[in-house]
Amino acid sequence: NAGVTQTPKFRVLKTGQSMTLLCAQDMNHEYMYWYRQDPGMGLRLIHYSVGEGTTAKGEVPDGYNVSRLKKQNFLLGLESAAPSQTSVYFCASSLQFGSYEQYFGPGTRLTVT
Amino acid sequence: GESVGLHLPTLSVQEGDNSIINCAYSNSASDYFIWYKQESGKGPQFIIDIRSNMDKRQGQRVTVLLNKTVKHLSLQIAATQPGDSAVYFCAEVYNNNDMRFGAGTRLTVKP
Repeated sequence: NAGVTQTPKFRVLKTGQSMTLLCAQDMNHEYMYWYRQDPGMGLRLIHYSVGEGTTAKGEVPDGYNVSRLKKQNFLLGLESAAPSQTSVYFCASSLQFGSYEQYFGPGTRLTVT
Repeated sequence: GESVGLHLPTLSVQEGDNSIINCAYSNSASDYFIWYKQESGKGPQFIIDIRSNMDKRQGQRVTVLLNKTVKHLSLQIAATQPGDSAVYFCAEVYNNNDMRFGAGTRLTVKP
């Protein structure tokens, strides 16, 4: 049981490039989330999904897109990376609506130059 | 969200002492609170939670206290160990699945 895994662990992008971050969970969780964490700040929710095929915007969705084609995977896309998107990105999953205990992945450190 | 600054509040304790980490939350309608621990280079890890209809909850070596009057949450760690060194942050939950996370407090345990 690997829990929540994220790929890649590190990435450097040039401004304007695109990329996709992959999150996978093997706990059969319905809910999945993408957060960003910046120095000195709390986690901020980018997008989340309440089930396969559904996604919703969080607190800071601009510049990101997501897809949940399979229950176990949640993809975060950056279409045109900007330096302001330099951050550590965390994926999380939880069992069901109302189950707030989230399991987090190890994070992806993204630098946009 | 507005930046709370680049430097986290810090707490330094001696190994074996008790630690108290505080958190002020913002939404009086929040009905659920969670404490997370984040070690360097890792994702956050759930520690303990508490619902708004409680004022205290105990776990293994940890206790969470909730004071709704002043919108304050605290995490007490008994007999702090070097492995407890990490960033600790609280989260408040409202509207069923909206969450806000605090910036965190860095706990350092001195041997």
